[in-house]
Amino acid sequence: AQKVTQAQTEISVVEKEDVTLDCVYETRDTTYYLFWYKQPPSGELVFLIRRNSFDEQNEISGRYSWNFQKSTSSFNFTITASQVVDSAVYFCALSGITYSNSGYALNFGKGTSLLVTP
Amino acid sequence: KAGVTQTPRYLIKTRGQQVTLSCSPISGHRSVSWYQQTPGQGLQFLFEYFSETQRNKGNFPGRFSGRQFSNSRSEMNVSTLELGDSALYLCASSPVSGFYQPQHFGDGTRLSIL
Repeated sequence: AQKVTQAQTEISVVEKEDVTLDCVYETRDTTYYLFWYKQPPSGELVFLIRRNSFDEQNEISGRYSWNFQKSTSSFNFTITASQVVDSAVYFCALSGITYSNSGYALNFGKGTSLLVTP
Repeated sequence: KAGVTQTPRYLIKTRGQQVTLSCSPISGHRSVSWYQQTPGQGLQFLFEYFSETQRNKGNFPGRFSGRQFSNSRSEMNVSTLELGDSALYLCASSPVSGFYQPQHFGDGTRLSIL
């Protein structure tokens, strides 16, 4: 079975602070993919990044950066100099075999609600 | 390029009724997946259709079903509605099946059961 844990339910920061969202995953698959999605109040999930299990390089995209460590089964997401527009729910997700072994699925964590105040 | 379109946006039903939700994927995308989002359970995978065939299925009862048409549009049906079915139902599309590619999500259909 697969599991994604986002221990932080809610985070509140003041604009321009850096914030890290944690994601820990469990899987028996040797090949898997990890994703981060952002869900603003409008409801639509927006894809942010994908990582496969063979690529542990960290990535930076503007104010966003991701730290993937297989040794600790973690895929953390950092926003540098946060802005009010970053306020949203952020989901970490893992692709792999479903709970019922009926094929593949995308397993989401419970999400971290980030509030950035001016 | 138009995104994923879900209709209707909001729906109110009563227990015991059935409901059909619709999803039009991004042009050229052949995989359509459905997810249920609730405050308690979070985002849960329902099923995926690719080339009019159900390819993958989550852990939901048989009351939840779906289908996909030759133009890749998909419908999801829930029969004998229960209060616990109140949720945001999200549809996502991708070019191919397998979940190794990013999913493109619609705005969702918010279903309320009275």
